[in-house]
Amino acid sequence: GDSVTQMEGPVTLSEEAFLTINCTYTATGYPSLFWYVQYPGEGLQLLLKATKADDKGSNKGFEATYRKETTSFHLEKGSVQVSDSAVYFCALFPNTGNQFYFGTGTSLTVIP
Amino acid sequence: DVKVTQSSRYLVKRTGEKVFLECVQDMDHENMFWYRQDPGLGLRLIYFSYDVKMKEKGDIPEGYSVSREKKERFSLILESASTNQTSMYLCASSRPGQYEKLFFGSGTQLSVL
Repeated sequence: GDSVTQMEGPVTLSEEAFLTINCTYTATGYPSLFWYVQYPGEGLQLLLKATKADDKGSNKGFEATYRKETTSFHLEKGSVQVSDSAVYFCALFPNTGNQFYFGTGTSLTVIP
Repeated sequence: DVKVTQSSRYLVKRTGEKVFLECVQDMDHENMFWYRQDPGLGLRLIYFSYDVKMKEKGDIPEGYSVSREKKERFSLILESASTNQTSMYLCASSRPGQYEKLFFGSGTQLSVL
């Protein structure tokens, strides 16, 4: 079945460090891929998305590229800030489905 | 601002109690969802609804039921709460065909003692 696997956390980085959170997926066909972010005490909110192979989603300095050959959608940011501390979820929506599939979440803490 | 409001941020209940978790959205969305969030397991879909009085089972419906009497309100019901239902519960909504625009509430942390 459809599923998402993302790297285990927690991840702790110093401010201005480079961030990568790995995400791979299993799906039939061509799903849409997403990164959601959950700030402390809040619900999830959409960070970025990509709907077809080689698309790059970007928002707030974060980027992720839809790689069909490696079934991956890794999240990157060149210089993290303290305010980026949150839990990040990779997710997919199948092109023939009716529900999201979320990864387990990766907790990021950025220290000054 | 669009809003998905969950009635309680924290809830403590005893084993065997009937528990109601309420969710209200003010965006006139047809689709509404209930997830539970557990460490190491991520979000898992319990139930969803595409319209008033409609409901469909998600991946883990056992031990839960739902009610959608009005478009804006989607209730999750634990008929007889058990300790393994201690979790964070998240409600979400979206418009048909705009699945990527999933709006989440801030969650209800339920503890069953």
